[in-house]
Amino acid sequence: GNSVTQMEGPVTLSEEAFLTINCTYTATGYPSLFWYVQYPGEGLQLLLKATKADDKGSNKGFEATYRKETTSFHLEKGSVQVSDSAVYFCALKRGSTLGRLYFGRGTQLTVWP
Amino acid sequence: DGGITQSPKYLFRKEGQNVTLSCEQNLNHDAMYWYRQDPGQGLRLIYYSQIVNDFQKGDIAEGYSVSREKKESFPLTVTSAQKNPTAFYLCASEGDSNQPQHFGDGTRLSIL
Repeated sequence: GNSVTQMEGPVTLSEEAFLTINCTYTATGYPSLFWYVQYPGEGLQLLLKATKADDKGSNKGFEATYRKETTSFHLEKGSVQVSDSAVYFCALKRGSTLGRLYFGRGTQLTVWP
Repeated sequence: DGGITQSPKYLFRKEGQNVTLSCEQNLNHDAMYWYRQDPGQGLRLIYYSQIVNDFQKGDIAEGYSVSREKKESFPLTVTSAQKNPTAFYLCASEGDSNQPQHFGDGTRLSIL
């Protein structure tokens, strides 16, 4: 089947610290991988995506590399800011067609000044 | 601006009552989805529709119903059969396999 496992939170960091949120997946075929971010009381916004092995998605200083050999898509940022405090979701979609997303449980990130 | 509008933002349900959550999109997207979010459980798929007048059950469809009479609209009804409806409900749409799903701002449903 298809599933996503994210590291459990909450994660608490000081401003300018390095961030890693681990994400591994199980999927049939060649999925597309996503990181979404959710700010309090809002819906989800796409942060970055990768559609094939070794692709690196990046946005707003965040990066994640699609690693087929380790079935991973870890999210990283070199220097977090207070404004990065949010819930982060790793997700996959089968192939490159229209279809549902399979989500991890989400990781709450809090950044202190 | 194109986007997805969910209403109301907050909704309260009495015991034995059906309530309907609205989702409208002006992105001309074919596919629409309803997800339920509970703390610490990520998002779970309730129903989805890839074309007008057709929809499919997701992982947790029991106690919910949907319709897709227009491309722009995909309302979700939470029936009295759903015994634990308190959650945050998110609607999403998708128009192109190369583009990500777009999400609305959600409806928070609580029990009175």
